[in-house]
Amino acid sequence: DTGVSQDPRHKITKRGQNVTFRCDPISEHNRLYWYRQTLGQGPEFLTYFQNEAQLEKSRLLSDRFSAERPKGSFSTLEIQRTEQGDSAMYLCASSRGGADTQYFGPGTRLTVL
Amino acid sequence: RKEVEQDPGPFNVPEGATVAFNCTYSNSASQSFFWYRQDCRKEPKLLMSVYSSGNEDGRFTAQLNRASQYISLLIRDSKLSDSATYLCVCDGSSNTGKLIFGQGTTLQVKP
Repeated sequence: DTGVSQDPRHKITKRGQNVTFRCDPISEHNRLYWYRQTLGQGPEFLTYFQNEAQLEKSRLLSDRFSAERPKGSFSTLEIQRTEQGDSAMYLCASSRGGADTQYFGPGTRLTVL
Repeated sequence: RKEVEQDPGPFNVPEGATVAFNCTYSNSASQSFFWYRQDCRKEPKLLMSVYSSGNEDGRFTAQLNRASQYISLLIRDSKLSDSATYLCVCDGSSNTGKLIFGQGTTLQVKP
């Protein structure tokens, strides 16, 4: 257990529904990252926060995706109008700073039917 | 072309064998390099950082060749517990901490 928690661990939803995932980073970690991992591939960067500021978003993050970190602690990732191609493991990681080790949470596995 | 390329394997080796994984990266601006280990259906965990001078941690040795943009991981005296996927990782750009992962190389150590 790295200290990063994610909820839920699994989510099954029907196409077109909205889903929201939560990540609680290690306390006092300023950086929080979201990645997506599909079967047989390595994780792909989606977005990251420095405290409450979202500083970079990947082109993978379409307008159906939105992430927030309102108080600089936990973060949420919302996917609107889910598509089957959204099925993946969504990983959250946190670190003290940009050059520090990132610790990953257990992930939320999303299945879109 | 992917930014970080690895042979996905699988590599099937007997216990006690020495096995080497390689990867190449395309972003010459990358400054930090890592090997992460990922067990089946688990999150990635940092195995070791990789430095130009090379570094060793027990049975694991990592090397970086900046000129060739090439990273390697050597595992000596393989154990059954080394069976996992090994992810080659670079930083996407300085200061952001964004990590760019390779596809991963799967290792299966057999008795």
